[in-house]
Amino acid sequence: GENVEQHPSTLSVQEGDSAVIKCTYSDSASNYFPWYKQELGKRPQLIIDIRSNVGEKKDQRIAVTLNKTAKHFSLHITETQPEDSAVYFCAASQGPTNAGKSTFGDGTTLTVKP
Amino acid sequence: DAMVIQNPRYQVTQFGKPVTLSCSQTLNHNVMYWYQQKSSQAPKLLFHYYDKDFNNEADTPDNFQSRRPNTSFCFLDIRSPGLGDAAMYLCATSQGFLGEAFFGQGTRLTVV
Repeated sequence: GENVEQHPSTLSVQEGDSAVIKCTYSDSASNYFPWYKQELGKRPQLIIDIRSNVGEKKDQRIAVTLNKTAKHFSLHITETQPEDSAVYFCAASQGPTNAGKSTFGDGTTLTVKP
Repeated sequence: DAMVIQNPRYQVTQFGKPVTLSCSQTLNHNVMYWYQQKSSQAPKLLFHYYDKDFNNEADTPDNFQSRRPNTSFCFLDIRSPGLGDAAMYLCATSQGFLGEAFFGQGTRLTVV
C-alpha cells in the first residue's frame, strides 16, 4: 500500500520567514496530493492541492511543488504569520475507481513566533 | 450551512458499552470516511465507503464497524469500547478520491 512520510515533525519559524514542509510517497499510482491545515481543536481543512499533471501551484502565500519522478511534494509558506501556526498534513490519493484511497502523512506542527 | 455534521460532539461511554457515532452530509459525495485521531497524531483511516462499497483498513480492529444506509448518513459502531479507543473520531466526505475531503467537526469519545 501507499506510504507517506512527512518532514519535519515540528517546525518553528520567526514571523515573516518562510516555512517548507516535505512529503515523500511510495506508490507511483498516486495522482492527487492535498495539504490540510488543522488548528488546535478544529477539523482539518484543505489549504492547497496539486494533481499529477502539474508541477507547481500557488495561492497567495502558499505554494506546492510536485516531483513525480522523485515521488515527493512540498508545501511552501512565505511571509509567515502567527495565524499560520497549526498542524499541517500532506496526503497522497489515487482513484478514481472504488479501489482508490487517501493516505496521510504524520503531520508537521508549525509554530510561528511573533 | 455546515456540510458534514457529526453528532454528538462529545460522547462519554462506559468501558465495554456499545456506542454509535453518526455523520451526515449535504454534499451528496460518494465517498465517506471515518478517521480516528489521537492527540498530536495524524488522522488514522479506519474505513471508507465508495457509494455502498465498504473498504476496511487492514489494521482496523474488529471492534469497529460501520453502516451507510444511504448517501447522506454514515455510522461508526464501537461494539466494546476500551480505554485505548478514547480519541477524536472524524468523518469526512469527498467526490471520488481525487478531490478535497470535507471533514466534520469530530466527535470526542471518552471511555470511563
